[in-house]
Amino acid sequence: GQNIDQPTEMTATEGAIVQINCTYQTSGFNGLFWYQQHAGEAPTFLSYNVLDGLEEKGRFSSFLSRSKGYSYLLLKELQMKDSASYLCAVRERYSGAGSYQLTFGKGTKLSVIP
Amino acid sequence: DSGVTQTPKHLITATGQRVTLRCSPRSGDLSVYWYQQSLDQGLQFLIQYYNGEERAKGNILERFSAQQFPDLHSELNLSSLELGDSALYFCASSVTGGDYYNEQFFGPGTRLTVL
Repeated sequence: GQNIDQPTEMTATEGAIVQINCTYQTSGFNGLFWYQQHAGEAPTFLSYNVLDGLEEKGRFSSFLSRSKGYSYLLLKELQMKDSASYLCAVRERYSGAGSYQLTFGKGTKLSVIP
Repeated sequence: DSGVTQTPKHLITATGQRVTLRCSPRSGDLSVYWYQQSLDQGLQFLIQYYNGEERAKGNILERFSAQQFPDLHSELNLSSLELGDSALYFCASSVTGGDYYNEQFFGPGTRLTVL
């Protein structure tokens, strides 16, 4: 089983930087994903980390420390359109050959204000 | 647009009824995943199919069942519906269900309301 924790809500100012943290406890860890979800819409993929360190993708970066069970998503130069929920998801090997399951945190609702 | 399609977009029904949700994966994707998203529980994995076979099972109730057909589309059947089944149901697809990095692409969802 898994336990994934992330803050429920955050507020940040347009143009600023915000860091959304995610901690997890799991066995059979096989990667961590971040998804963005606007209200009532489908989640869309942002980033994937399987090794320790920072992955950068434009204004978005994601960091992973497997030994600490910790990840963060960093959003730079915030724009109003970044107001959304950000979901941390841990990929774990399912009991069975070649199968994996994604378990999602409850998401962090980010509000970007002018 | 992820390339994953789901129908219907909205569904309103009564307690005790049965409904079927449909999903067509992206062209070339062999795996289909079903998720339930309610306000208090977040996004919960229900079940995965890979090339017609059940591959993984999450928190799926016995009243719920799914299948994947030879053309790779999938259906999620929900029966004896209860008020608590009201939620957004998402389908996602990926190329494989296998060992390596395997991004899931989500469909637009079906919003189910049970009255």
